[in-house]
Amino acid sequence: AQSVAQPEDQVNVAEGNPLTVKCTYSVSGNPYLFWYVQYPNRGLQFLLKYITGDNLVKGSYGFEAEFNKSQTSFHLKKPSALVSDSALYFCAVRDGGNAGNMLTFGGGTRLMVKP
Amino acid sequence: DAGITQSPRHKVTETGTPVTLRCHQTENHRYMYWYRQDPGHGLRLIHYSYGVKDTDKGEVSDGYSVSRSKTEDFLLTLESATSSQTSVYFCAITQEARYEQYFGPGTRLTVT
Repeated sequence: AQSVAQPEDQVNVAEGNPLTVKCTYSVSGNPYLFWYVQYPNRGLQFLLKYITGDNLVKGSYGFEAEFNKSQTSFHLKKPSALVSDSALYFCAVRDGGNAGNMLTFGGGTRLMVKP
Repeated sequence: DAGITQSPRHKVTETGTPVTLRCHQTENHRYMYWYRQDPGHGLRLIHYSYGVKDTDKGEVSDGYSVSRSKTEDFLLTLESATSSQTSVYFCAITQEARYEQYFGPGTRLTVT
């Protein structure tokens, strides 16, 4: 079985400050990890992924995430938040051996960036 | 958006009526998925397909059926809609070479 936890329902940050959105996961095999963003009344947009290799992965819109195997975490980060980053963020995981490519999503974290 | 469209985009229906949602993709992807999104639950997998006429159940499949008679279309049917099926439904595909899932714009379904 695979699972994802996003411990914060909401994260508040001031524009220009660094932001972190937390994610921890559980899988039986090798984790494939993903972050998605959802703007109001829109579908989910892919931000970045970790499959293998460098633990720090960079994605769209200046976001990055760090894979930490020992802590089973994949936190999303950005050095300087923008008001336009305000949205709902989802972490997702799949087992690398999962032939169906099925993702399990966390409950989501709402990011609020204030001017 | 990986060429994914969903129809209808909004629907209001009454309890007990059948409802079919359509997902259409233009890029010949093998894997297609139906999710529902509810506050506090994130996205939960209803059914998925790994080819024409090949489908399987997801986490929350009770009360739903699917069909895939062509590569490009994946239909989700609520045989007899209930108020608990009020939700936003998303279709997705997997870009297999990159392991990435891409989502359609969603269908907001209200069952009264």
